This record gives sequence, structure tokens and C-alpha cells, in this order.
Amino acid sequence: GAGVSQSPSNKVTEKGKDVELRCDPISGHTALYWYRQSLGQGLEFLIYFQGNSAPDKSGLPSDRFSAERTGGSVSTLTIQRTQQEDSAVYLCASSLAGGLPGELFFGEGSRLTVL
Amino acid sequence: SQQGEEDPQALSIQEGENATMNCSYKTSINNLQWYRQNSGRGLVHLILIRSNEREKHSGRLRVTLDTSKKSSSLLITASRAADTASYFCATADLYNQGGKLIFGQGTELSVKP
Repeated sequence: GAGVSQSPSNKVTEKGKDVELRCDPISGHTALYWYRQSLGQGLEFLIYFQGNSAPDKSGLPSDRFSAERTGGSVSTLTIQRTQQEDSAVYLCASSLAGGLPGELFFGEGSRLTVL
Repeated sequence: SQQGEEDPQALSIQEGENATMNCSYKTSINNLQWYRQNSGRGLVHLILIRSNEREKHSGRLRVTLDTSKKSSSLLITASRAADTASYFCATADLYNQGGKLIFGQGTELSVKP
């Protein structure tokens, strides 16, 4: 597709379950970002992938959160043993630029609700 | 950790008026970007200004950057109801945070017809 694609767009889960969120970046974009946005708040940085370099995981809030990027393309964000405070919109973005970020292209987000 | 802080948090104006939003940040930066987010949607890039630039224009948008004060402003001239959205600044740290882009809390702009 032409843009960044995220799935699912909405996910409702029960506390304690694991969830996987998927991001398909724009073809050829080497940089991929995950952010979290709670209701009415700004974006909280989670993790950043750049090419084959080790990802910057400095924003992951706990060891229940992990992400991988296979083949330099699709990325999956996994949240284990979900908690109610994990409820938020998870946004993925990709960028052509490496090293110093240029314009980010965002997906529409995955809205996660933990009951 | 959050880098940019926007003010005001919310701004309500009439159509045709100008809207000014400010962003302050803490560290030395390589560039600063502004994004727009319509309710319930992803963010859309508006403009990027490099640390060696002081002002940049794009259509009805004017961005200024004062690195000595670590601040930037976004001016939207002749606002329209369709400009109603949240606006975020984002900064790229100069001293290599690996390309990480850090966003502020945003300004919610409401333009009344």
C-alpha cells in the first residue's frame, strides 16, 4: 500500500492476555517507530528500529513490552500480560531518513482497550 | 522522557484569525518538526526546520526557531474551521539519540466558523 498500515485498528482484550499489534511500513523506509498515545495526551516514544542496527528500546515501559522487525520491514509490538494502564492508541511511523530523523509517516494507529 | 512542551494546551479562535502555538525543548537539537493530528487519526507532518534555520514558511504556516531560547513557534494565518486539530512539535536530539524523535504534549486548536 501507499501508506503505513497498522492492524488491528481496534483491539479489546481482557487483563492478563497477550496482544500483538502489527505495523507494515512504507516500502523502502529504513526507520520504524512505535509510539503510545493515551487519551488526550502526547506521544510517548516506545522503540525505534533503523536498518540492521540494534533497536533503541529505551522507551519501552516494562519488560512486558517487546517489539521485533522482521526482514527490515513489518514490525510487531507484543504486550504480554496486559494491564488496564496499557489501554491507549499505539502508533507506528516510518521514515526514509536514517540516523537523523526527517519526516515521519504515521499509520492510523491501533486502539487497545484492556478490560 | 518528553522533550517538547507546547503552550497553550488549548486554543480557541474564530475563523480568519491567526493562531500561534509555542514549543519549548530542553536539549540541543538537530531539527524540530511540527505535526498535526485530527481527532482519532494518525499524525501528519507539516514542516521541518533545521537548527541552522530561523524561519520557514509553507503556505499559511510560518515556523520560527530560536535555539538560544530553545523554543519554536507555529503560526497559522487566516485560520479555517478545517484547521481544527491537535498540533505537536517534535525534536531530534543533536547528540545522537539514534534518530529518535520526541514529541511534546500538543496544543489543541479549535477554530470556530
